Amino acid sequence: DAGVIQSPRHEVTEMGQEVTLRCKPISGHNSLFWYRQTMMRGLELLIYFNNNVPIDDSGMPEDRFSAKMPNASFSTLKIQPSEPRDSAVYFCASSLVRGYYEQYFGPGTRLTVT
Amino acid sequence: RKEVEQDPGPFNVPEGATVAFNCTYSNSASQSFFWYRQDCRKEPKLLMSVYSSGNEDGRFTAQLNRASQYISLLIRDSKLSDSATYLCVAKGTGRRALTFGSGTRLQVQP
Repeated sequence: DAGVIQSPRHEVTEMGQEVTLRCKPISGHNSLFWYRQTMMRGLELLIYFNNNVPIDDSGMPEDRFSAKMPNASFSTLKIQPSEPRDSAVYFCASSLVRGYYEQYFGPGTRLTVT
Repeated sequence: RKEVEQDPGPFNVPEGATVAFNCTYSNSASQSFFWYRQDCRKEPKLLMSVYSSGNEDGRFTAQLNRASQYISLLIRDSKLSDSATYLCVAKGTGRRALTFGSGTRLQVQP
């Protein structure tokens, strides 16, 4: 069975450019989470959705970040404009709402902003 | 103060050793706790849940101490394949989802 799919796996961009990260959750899962991981700050929850509805976006660092989930099988995280301090690994995870502690993570997108 | 705190390590232990990690949490209302494992340059994966009564899964034992607000993970008979970062996780209340600690790195040496 396919796990959580993320694309691209690696992204290198210049400061000021728009970056869009994509995620396809596991079929049947109705919770989706976006995380960012850096050496300094560890794994941070940015936002999560239940049944395509954003529930908690308090982790979104600032207005440059936005996330959407137009349907149950697709979500995007957009950074516009990107800055060097956004360089990190961005993980998407999905779970069933009831057991959302058991989250299944995608392989991550390694973002480098120069 | 971080909501979930862990000793970053690294813990360097020989094969066959027993090693224990502790993790403290600041939110006394946290309801559930878990340990995730993350291999180098890979995604985190659920290792085990932590129950109030303690629980065991093979060589792994997890304990919860609500009075002192810490959880622990004990690994017996360490294997080389246990080398990874172990993330302590607390589930918050209400809308709060999971809060991850920064992880404890374990290196098992031959």
